[in-house]
Amino acid sequence: GQQLNQSPQSMFIQEGEDVSMNCTSSSIFNTWLWYKQDPGEGPVLLIALYKAGELTSNGRLTAQFGITRKDSFLNISASIPSDVGIYFCAGLLLNTNAGKSTFGDGTTLTVKP
Amino acid sequence: DAGITQSPRYKITETGRQVTLMCHQTWSHSYMFWYRQDLGHGLRLIYYSAAADITDKGEVPDGYVVSRSKTENFPLTLESATRSQTSVYFCASSEWTDTEAFFGQGTRLTVV
Repeated sequence: GQQLNQSPQSMFIQEGEDVSMNCTSSSIFNTWLWYKQDPGEGPVLLIALYKAGELTSNGRLTAQFGITRKDSFLNISASIPSDVGIYFCAGLLLNTNAGKSTFGDGTTLTVKP
Repeated sequence: DAGITQSPRYKITETGRQVTLMCHQTWSHSYMFWYRQDLGHGLRLIYYSAAADITDKGEVPDGYVVSRSKTENFPLTLESATRSQTSVYFCASSEWTDTEAFFGQGTRLTVV
């Protein structure tokens, strides 16, 4: 089946620093989704990307849909303590998987004040 | 309140027992999903449903059974629980195939 490689696995950064994480796949996806999971909660959608090359922002978050459709990137600028959590990428290939998302293993972000 | 709710939030059960995790959504979303989350494995799809009475296997379906007699409910049953099924289980729903999934708060299941 499809697999997503999400990196880095974990990050320890200082408040105010910028963060970059990415997902790569051997398969092409039609949609890329980025979720954040707070401790003890379910994942919540941050950004959705629907077109190759698309660059979308949500506040301090910016995500890009790779041109090859096999990768996606998420950047967080000027990190703050509440950015702590696990960030998941998810790829979606329509028509063949009936809407099932394939999730990466997550990037655990720790922000030191 | 509108949303997706899972029950129970925490469950401890013994090996070999049957246990059912409940999921209820109030949006009338067509699609519903069950995932399990384990350290180092992210979210793995167990079963999903495209509509009432339509279900299909995901990546890790063995040992689980689902049903969907009503659009709003999607219970997950472990027929004979094993220790390897100790995990956090998330239910999710989405309106269409290409839109975001909304997740419940999760059920932490421990099999002893």
